[in-house]
Amino acid sequence: TQLLEQSPQFLSIQEGENLTVYCNSSSVFSSLQWYRQEPGEGPVLLVTVVTGGEVKKLKRLTFQFGDARKDSSLHITAAQPGDTGLYLCAGFDNYGQNFVFGPGTRLSVLP
Amino acid sequence: AAGVIQSPRHLIKEKRETATLKCYPIPRHDTVYWYQQGPGQDPQFLISFYEKMQSDKGSIPDRFSAQQFSDYHSELNMSSLELGDSALYFCASSRGFNYGYTFGSGTRLTVV
Repeated sequence: TQLLEQSPQFLSIQEGENLTVYCNSSSVFSSLQWYRQEPGEGPVLLVTVVTGGEVKKLKRLTFQFGDARKDSSLHITAAQPGDTGLYLCAGFDNYGQNFVFGPGTRLSVLP
Repeated sequence: AAGVIQSPRHLIKEKRETATLKCYPIPRHDTVYWYQQGPGQDPQFLISFYEKMQSDKGSIPDRFSAQQFSDYHSELNMSSLELGDSALYFCASSRGFNYGYTFGSGTRLTVV
């Protein structure tokens, strides 16, 4: 079983639409990170969230860490074709021992 | 800014051959990680090094070994290659617990 679950698995939207993708776990995480990965390239770190309830904004991307530190969301406003990619959440479990990735959400933004 | 450098970018090997993948972390990053990513899969942790010592081990086959050298670069050695070893191999480095990883562009290994 996956320690981190992500939904939806696939998402295809039109340019200009808004979207939210989710990262959930039954375990508490000391921190969670969001990465974007393009085909054949390594994941690129977007943000790290550490504090429960934290909200971070990165241009059109808004990241939220759940109060209980078991879930996180990524909201993209006015999506653009350049946002297309695989969005992975990842983090250390509460013991700081295991760094795990979620299975990812594959986003396609159509012009 | 300097990034994590991996070489080679692409590698084709035959079954039962040996491959060596290299990783040069970002300067002053004290931890190096190796991940394997199969087609359509999320990255799977193989092994990590902290200050040149192995710090953690994941699902790394016994046929694989890795080490980190005095200049902090790391090498992943893969022997008796199997078709199932075909994947993207990523190296990542980090400067601390909550800073996230910086990934290299990966080595695409194809075993034929």
